[in-house]
Amino acid sequence: DQQVKQNSPSLSVQEGRISILNCDYTNSMFDYFLWYKKYPAEGPTFLISISSIKDKNEDGRFTVFLNKSAKHLSLHIVPSQPGDSAVYFCAATRGSGSARQLTFGSGTQLTVLP
Amino acid sequence: GAGVSQSPRYKVAKRGQDVALRCDPISGHVSLFWYQQALGQGPEFLTYFQNEAQLDKSGLPSDRFFAERPEGSVSTLKIQRTQQEDSAVYLCASSQERVRPLNEQFFGPGTRLTVL
Repeated sequence: DQQVKQNSPSLSVQEGRISILNCDYTNSMFDYFLWYKKYPAEGPTFLISISSIKDKNEDGRFTVFLNKSAKHLSLHIVPSQPGDSAVYFCAATRGSGSARQLTFGSGTQLTVLP
Repeated sequence: GAGVSQSPRYKVAKRGQDVALRCDPISGHVSLFWYQQALGQGPEFLTYFQNEAQLDKSGLPSDRFFAERPEGSVSTLKIQRTQQEDSAVYLCASSQERVRPLNEQFFGPGTRLTVL
């Protein structure tokens, strides 16, 4: 039973355009959401996060939107660059305490075409 | 500064062999996590340490899996009597406590285990 789902295994976008990566979750106890980026043969790298008390968080070219009622979040990258080509993982966490395990989706391979 | 390092980067084992995977977290990081990533999937939680204490091992798939962090820094994940289904990338992550953004975990490059 996947609690975090990324239904698009891959996405191709032209350089300069917007990339939109989607993620759905089923566990209503999740209260913090993160996006990680992964290049081949490297570990995932933190990109951006959002708390469940917000519906939007922006950091440069990256914006994460959270729709709690729909249990859906999305990552927008504007403008997309070839260096953004990587696998993007959505992750969620819940509960109290300062260090908590992450539940990941299966990832979306983003390819930005020059 | 140095990030999380893991060794070996690649390990090939024959079915039934024992393996030990090492993780060196970022210096001063209190929390350490192990994840297992199967091909085409996202990482899945295995176990969590706060300093030397193993606070959560609910993700370990069987009693063949054992993790330790005796001095609160380096951690070792041991798999006994390896099976083919153990083939995966094993990721280690560390984090500080009570910093923003909450739960930013820094990942190592992983150890790719192949069991023949």
